[in-house]
Amino acid sequence: AQTVTQSQPEMSVQEAETVTLSCTYDTSENNYYLFWYKQPPSRQMILVIRQEAYKQQNATENRFSVNFQKAAKSFSLKISDSQLGDTAMYFCAFTQMNRDDKIIFGKGTRLHILP
Amino acid sequence: DAGVTQSPTHLIKTRGQQVTLRCSPKSGHDTVSWYQQALGQGPQFIFQYYEEEERQRGNFPDRFSGHQFPNYSSELNVNALLLGDSALYLCASSYRGRDYGYTFGSGTRLTVV
Repeated sequence: AQTVTQSQPEMSVQEAETVTLSCTYDTSENNYYLFWYKQPPSRQMILVIRQEAYKQQNATENRFSVNFQKAAKSFSLKISDSQLGDTAMYFCAFTQMNRDDKIIFGKGTRLHILP
Repeated sequence: DAGVTQSPTHLIKTRGQQVTLRCSPKSGHDTVSWYQQALGQGPQFIFQYYEEEERQRGNFPDRFSGHQFPNYSSELNVNALLLGDSALYLCASSYRGRDYGYTFGSGTRLTVV
């Protein structure tokens, strides 16, 4: 069974600093997607960044980037120049490719950006 | 561009009652998935509907059932509510077989008392 583990329940950083959120996962599949989702108090799950497992290049989206280590089954999220609006719950998630499969979420990391 | 719409936003029910939650998918999407998010936890997959049929199911009892209509909207029904059913219920839509572009709604907060 696939599992996603986030070992940091809560983190706080000063505005404009860089922060890294950790995630490990377990799967026997070779083709899959990994995601980071942001859930602000509005509750809507917002896609931050997505990584296809077959791509060696790490995905980036503006201030957000990932460090994808397939062999180690590690998928961390780096937020550069953090902003107050980045305060939210962040979920690491996994889904198998080519099956419209369910998304498996970690338990989340609550991130506080301090002014 | 309408996103995923869920109703109602909040709901309070008594233990033993039945509840129906509703979801309208994003325009152009044909697949709807439902997730349960307990307080302080990540969402857990309940089931997925495509072409008006349940295609996948997570580890949830038969008290949880659903339906998808010809216009792709969906309902989640929970019978014989338990206190432990209190959670945020999220709906996610996608276009089957394409790009894993899941779009989530803002959820329905269900409280069972």
